[in-house]
Amino acid sequence: EAGVTQFPSHSVIEKGQTVTLRCDPISGHDNLYWYRRVMGKEIKFLLHFVKESKQDESGMPNNRFLAERTGGTYSTLKVQPAELEDSGVYFCASSQNRPGGNTEAFFGQGTRLTVV
Amino acid sequence: GDSVTQMEGPVTLSEEAFLTINCTYTATGYPSLFWYVQYPGEGLQLLLKATKADDKGSNKGFEATYRKETTSFHLEKGSVQVSDSAVYFCALSDRILGGGSYIPTFGRGTSLIVHP
Repeated sequence: EAGVTQFPSHSVIEKGQTVTLRCDPISGHDNLYWYRRVMGKEIKFLLHFVKESKQDESGMPNNRFLAERTGGTYSTLKVQPAELEDSGVYFCASSQNRPGGNTEAFFGQGTRLTVV
Repeated sequence: GDSVTQMEGPVTLSEEAFLTINCTYTATGYPSLFWYVQYPGEGLQLLLKATKADDKGSNKGFEATYRKETTSFHLEKGSVQVSDSAVYFCALSDRILGGGSYIPTFGRGTSLIVHP
């Protein structure tokens, strides 16, 4: 079974440009999460989808970030316009929705974004 | 809010040396505790977990014991190998959402480098 897949693995863009990151969760996983790790710091939660609905977006840094999950399958995270401080590794994770018990979140390999 | 503090790296060891990576946490309630590992070029993987006080999580020769009295979850391995070289993240979760899913809060990560 395929794991969580993220595209691209690495992106270098200029300040002011737009970048779109994509995440394909494990098939059948209703929960999808985005995280970000800025160099040397914590991996911080950005937002959480349940199917196509945003369950929690309390971690989104500002309105330059837009996440979508149309149809409840793959998700995109767009940064527009990108700033230098947006550089970091963006992780996506997915998990099953199973009432009554904790479910493990499986992570992708991350997209390394460099804004120059 | 919840937080996780890890010892700063990198930790550099020779093969077969003993490993300890310290982790302490701050949380309300009774969180579950985790160690994740990211090998070069790969995604985050759950290494081990403990869900209540005095539980010991173990996997691949690694161990960590949930110590409520010291709010710690230190990672240990008796004899490290070159293949253990990776970044290790301590994490906690007490945010149980509808559907049984959780959202981990991560530490900054500790890089481990093992030399032959």
